[in-house]
Amino acid sequence: DGGITQSPKYLFRKEGQNVTLSCEQNLNHDAMYWYRQDPGQGLRLIYYSQIVNDFQKGDIAEGYSVSREKKESFPLTVTSAQKNPTAFYLCASHHYQNTGELFFGEGSRLTVL
Amino acid sequence: KNEVEQSPQNLTAQEGEFITINCSYSVGISALHWLQQHPGGGIVSLFMLSSGKKKHGRLIATINIQEKHSSLHITASHPRDSAVYICAVLASNYQLIWGAGTKLIIKP
Repeated sequence: DGGITQSPKYLFRKEGQNVTLSCEQNLNHDAMYWYRQDPGQGLRLIYYSQIVNDFQKGDIAEGYSVSREKKESFPLTVTSAQKNPTAFYLCASHHYQNTGELFFGEGSRLTVL
Repeated sequence: KNEVEQSPQNLTAQEGEFITINCSYSVGISALHWLQQHPGGGIVSLFMLSSGKKKHGRLIATINIQEKHSSLHITASHPRDSAVYICAVLASNYQLIWGAGTKLIIKP
């Protein structure tokens, strides 16, 4: 079955460490997104990519980095420069012209100790 | 002003009531999505609309392109419908713009 796989589901990190969250989709989707959600808040866009080897900053890109070397993969690195990284992170994808529905991963919950 | 506005922000109702959640947007769109997020965090796509009306079980979604407005209705609401409902539009430049969400609680 097609879908999006995010990993890990839960992650603990010490301050000063970089961590990478994985997002893989086998839907042949062009567009992929990373969102951050804080408790009781809506989704905020970190980065998005509409095509391989290209990505754009979202509203809260500082302290994060991404790559899009393959169509199916869009990993997010939370760097030590991100001052408040504890949050729930969601990856989403759709066809470039969105002829179908949005798909979401199950999310990754990052806690900085 | 946000480009996508949802109302109400919070809604509490009794089991069995008819529920309406509204979404207004100010940009040109190619599609509008209604999504459901449960307390565990997972998000499920309910509907994608570009015109007219769609129905799935007790859920109905409508969109009026001229008025730039969409509604999500839940008939015969049930406590398991309790969740955050989110409207998101795919703007004409293919960027997703999200509403803030409506937190729905259905009491038994």
